[in-house]
Amino acid sequence: AQKVTQAQTEISVVEKEDVTLDCVYETRDTTYYLFWYKQPPSGELVFLIRRNSFDEQNEISGRYSWNFQKSTSSFNFTITASQVVDSAVYFCALSEFGAGTASKLTFGTGTRLQVTL
Amino acid sequence: ETGVTQSPTHLIKTRGQQVTLRCSSQSGHNTVSWYQQALGQGPQFIFQYYREEENGRGNFPPRFSGLQFPNYSSELNVNALELDDSALYLCASSQQAGTGNTIYFGEGSWLTVV
Repeated sequence: AQKVTQAQTEISVVEKEDVTLDCVYETRDTTYYLFWYKQPPSGELVFLIRRNSFDEQNEISGRYSWNFQKSTSSFNFTITASQVVDSAVYFCALSEFGAGTASKLTFGTGTRLQVTL
Repeated sequence: ETGVTQSPTHLIKTRGQQVTLRCSSQSGHNTVSWYQQALGQGPQFIFQYYREEENGRGNFPPRFSGLQFPNYSSELNVNALELDDSALYLCASSQQAGTGNTIYFGEGSWLTVV
């Protein structure tokens, strides 16, 4: 069975601080996809990134960066120079891969990030 | 904006009633999934429809059922509502089930059962 663990329930930082959100996953599949989503109070899950299991390159998008380490089954997310608008709940998710399978996402319990002035 | 629209956005139902939630998928997407998100939890997979057929289901009882229409829009039906069904229901769409394509979510329907 697949499992995603986000051990940090809530993080509070002051604006302009860097913050890293941890994600550890479990799967028996050799091919899988990892995702991060942001959920503001409105409820919509906003897609941030998708990474497949064969691509361990780190990725940077503006103030966001992701560190994928297959050896430790981790896919951590760093926000550099955090801003108040980054305040939200962030979810890490894992999906199966394979023709005919459901595109089922297994989510972690989320990390609530509070950025204050 | 993801192009995934859901209705209604909020509703209140009484225990034992039935509810229908609706979802229009993003243009070009033939796969729709439904998720239930209880307060303080991550979303839980209910089921998925691919080309009008259910092709995957999570650990939810049969009173949770769905449909997908030829235009790929979808409905989630819940019968005999229970208090624990109170949650945010999220619809998600993607291209071609099982390929790892990005899954886009709507804003959800907030259901309260009293």
